[in-house]
Amino acid sequence: AQSVTQPDIHITVSEGASLELRCNYSYGATPYLFWYVQSPGQGLQLLLKYFSGDTLVQGIKGFEAEFKRSQSSFNLRKPSVHWSDAAEYFCAVKAGNNRKLIWGLGTSLAVNP
Amino acid sequence: NAGVTQTPKFQVLKTGQSMTLQCAQDMNHNSMYWYRQDPGMGLRLIYYSASEGTTDKGEVPNGYNVSRLNKREFSLRLESAAPSQTSVYFCASRQRGEVYEQYFGPGTRLTVT
Repeated sequence: AQSVTQPDIHITVSEGASLELRCNYSYGATPYLFWYVQSPGQGLQLLLKYFSGDTLVQGIKGFEAEFKRSQSSFNLRKPSVHWSDAAEYFCAVKAGNNRKLIWGLGTSLAVNP
Repeated sequence: NAGVTQTPKFQVLKTGQSMTLQCAQDMNHNSMYWYRQDPGMGLRLIYYSASEGTTDKGEVPNGYNVSRLNKREFSLRLESAAPSQTSVYFCASRQRGEVYEQYFGPGTRLTVT
């Protein structure tokens, strides 16, 4: 069965530091991959997505993610974190003909001043 | 363009009471979804509707019913609320075709006492 794993439940970084959030998926072919962000008390907002083509995708708010087929990973990165990036981040996968998304459990990001 | 709207934002129910959560989208999307979000469990799909007139069960449908009233509206009903249904509920929508990302509403925080 398809699955999505976000190994880090909680991460704390200092403002200005770089960030990498990990996402691993289980699926035989190339899935459609997404990263969403949820600010406190808000709904989820799409940060970026990967369908095909260039494996490094750019998203909103200065985020990027890289699809690595050999590692079944789609890690989210940002070179310099801002205090406003403190939020919950979710990785999601659409696999095959399934109309549904398969969601990771999320990574909570805290940013120290 | 309001996107996905949900009402109410907050609700407190007593065990055994019923209520309907309302969701509407103005993006002419075909598919709509209801999720619940609980700490440490990520997003779990309750029901979804691939198009007007169709609904399907997700991972956790027990205790819920849905109605796809028209293309815009997708409601979630709790017939007899239980404390286990205390959660934050999100509605999402998606357009047909190759674009698979889902757009989320702001959520309804429901407490059942």
